[in-house]
Amino acid sequence: GAGVSQSPSNKVTEKGKDVELRCDPISGHTALYWYRQRLGQGLEFLIYFQGNSAPDKSGLPSDRFSAERTGESVSTLTIQRTQQEDSAVYLCASSHALRTQYFGPGTRLLVL
Amino acid sequence: GQQVMQIPQYQHVQEGEDFTTYCNSSTTLSNIQWYKQRPGGHPVFLIQLVKSGEVKKQKRLTFQFGEAKKNSSLHITATQTTDVGTYFCAAGTPYGQNFVFGPGTRLSVLP
Repeated sequence: GAGVSQSPSNKVTEKGKDVELRCDPISGHTALYWYRQRLGQGLEFLIYFQGNSAPDKSGLPSDRFSAERTGESVSTLTIQRTQQEDSAVYLCASSHALRTQYFGPGTRLLVL
Repeated sequence: GQQVMQIPQYQHVQEGEDFTTYCNSSTTLSNIQWYKQRPGGHPVFLIQLVKSGEVKKQKRLTFQFGEAKKNSSLHITATQTTDVGTYFCAAGTPYGQNFVFGPGTRLSVLP
């Protein structure tokens, strides 16, 4: 596709449920990033994938968060046993390593 | 760990006034990127600076990278209402594999 796409665009879930967020990066981009942005706040780095290297998971806030990426394609971010504090916009970005990051539209997650 | 600060956190200006946001890092950077996020939108890349003391211009926007490669600034001349949004710097370190985003400066432009 022409840009980074994310799905779903909005997700409302109940506390304690698991959610899975999807990111389709720009074709050919080797790097993929996940960020969390709470309302009115900055970007909080979560995880970074670069090619077949081990991902940088240093930003994941707890073991309830995990992410996978197969090769240089789709990535999924999974949040288990969601909490109200997980409510935020989850942004995905892709790039050629350490170059311009192209952001997707984000998934707005609301945990009730 | 690396810290990236931005000041001011908020800035309200009258249309036509100038605006500057500053980005400061606790460590020496390999490069720095600037992004703009419109209200309700996602961050959009503006520019990347790599060289010490580098200055780049995009129309009314002027970007600078400090000589020590620890700070950067974005200056907007004669702001317009279309400049409204949050401006983020993203710091790349010599050894890291990702960028650290600053908290952003939110710009409001009053017509």
